[in-house]
Amino acid sequence: KAGVTQTPRYLIKTRGQQVTLSCSPISGHRSVSWYQQTPGQGLQFLFEYFSETQRNKGNFPGRFSGRQFSNSRSEMNVSTLELGDSALYLCASSLIAGRTDTQYFGPGTRLTVL
Amino acid sequence: AQSVTQLDSQVPVFEEAPVELRCNYSSSVSVYLFWYVQYPNQGLQLLLKYLSGSTLVESINGFEAEFNKSQTSFHLRKPSVHISDTAEYFCAVSDNTDKLIFGTGTRLQVFP
Repeated sequence: KAGVTQTPRYLIKTRGQQVTLSCSPISGHRSVSWYQQTPGQGLQFLFEYFSETQRNKGNFPGRFSGRQFSNSRSEMNVSTLELGDSALYLCASSLIAGRTDTQYFGPGTRLTVL
Repeated sequence: AQSVTQLDSQVPVFEEAPVELRCNYSSSVSVYLFWYVQYPNQGLQLLLKYLSGSTLVESINGFEAEFNKSQTSFHLRKPSVHISDTAEYFCAVSDNTDKLIFGTGTRLQVFP
């Protein structure tokens, strides 16, 4: 089975722009979660989608949004980019939603905001 | 709210030596505990998890962790490390909010 794929792998944007990141989960997985990883804050939970519905949300401003499609693929959008949004954005998929299920992570998208 | 503390940001060790990576959590409810490993330029991979039952859990590559409820700890151990174990290790907790909360990570550096 193919693993979790994320596109693009690298992205450079300037302040004020917006960006969309994409995540394709493992085939058959219906839950997709997003995380932000930075040297200072570590790994922080952004949100989780299951069956096209946002199931859980972390403590991020409304500039961060996401959605999930009927094929379980997910996108994450960040509007009005700030320098502090520079980070590695990780997507993880799991078979079902819930805290016992193993999450499988993609390689991440490295976003640099100039 | 729950939190996870990994006290050691870096742990240097020689090959074939034993290692312990420490993890403490705080939560007022029952939790599930995880250890993930991140190799350079890769995403995270699950190493092992504790959901219930035996407090000692093992991974396929020789790591083990023990859930200690009284000390709210879930330390990761390996009796003999290899160069290939060099990576960043993250402890994580999930409680009844279903969110996965990560520690800040411990960089394990294995020297020949």
